[in-house]
Amino acid sequence: DTAVSQTPKYLVTQMGNDKSIKCEQNLGHDTMYWYKQDSKKFLKIMFSYNNKELIINETVPNRFSPKSPDKAHLNLHINSLELGDSAVYFCASSRPGTYNSPLHFGNGTRLTVT
Amino acid sequence: ILNVEQSPQSLHVQEGDSTNFTCSFPSSNFYALHWYRWETAKSPEALFVMTLNGDEKKKGRISATLNTKEGYSYLYIKGSQPEDSATYLCAVKAAGNKLTFGGGTRVLVKP
Repeated sequence: DTAVSQTPKYLVTQMGNDKSIKCEQNLGHDTMYWYKQDSKKFLKIMFSYNNKELIINETVPNRFSPKSPDKAHLNLHINSLELGDSAVYFCASSRPGTYNSPLHFGNGTRLTVT
Repeated sequence: ILNVEQSPQSLHVQEGDSTNFTCSFPSSNFYALHWYRWETAKSPEALFVMTLNGDEKKKGRISATLNTKEGYSYLYIKGSQPEDSATYLCAVKAAGNKLTFGGGTRVLVKP
C-alpha cells in the first residue's frame, strides 16, 4: 500500500564508501525527486526526474548521481561518502507540473557517515 | 534564490485553543503555494495547494488563506487537538525558481 517507499530507512557507513538509496512509487506519477534535509532542518531539492529524464540538478557534488531505470524508480548513488553527507534524504513524487501538484514523500533515509 | 519565511518557528497551544501562523514569500512571479503537515518520524503530507489570490482551503479543522499581492499565507487550526502537533511546512513556486520550502512552524498542542 505504501505510495512512495525508500530503502533503507537507516544507513550507517564509513567515510569513503559508496552507497545507494532506492526509491519506488506506485502512484503512477511521472515526476520524482530527491530532497535533502539540511542541518537547519530545511528541505532542499537535489534532483528531479520527469519520466526518466533529469530536469532539475541543483548544485550538488558530482559524487551524488541519481539513476532512474523507469518512471516508478529513482535511486540515489553516493560515491566517496564524506562526514558532511550525513543527513536525512527524502524521495518524493508528483504529477507533472511541480507547482500545482502536491508532493508525495517517502519516509526518509537517515544517512550517518562515520 | 526564493526566500520563504515561516513564523513563528515554534508555538505551544493549549488543547481546544485555536491558532494560526504565517508563510511569507516574495509576491512577484508567484505560481503556487503548498502547505504540508510533518509529524515526527513520518514523512511530510500535503494539506493544500493554493494558486489564486484570495484562495481559501479547508480540511477538517485546518484551513489556509492566500494573499499573493502582499506575499503571505496563513494556516489556521481551530480547536487544536494533541494530534495536531506537528511541523507545518509551506513551499512556494515562483517563476525561475524551484519549489522552495520554508523552515516550518513547529506546533505543540498541550493537553
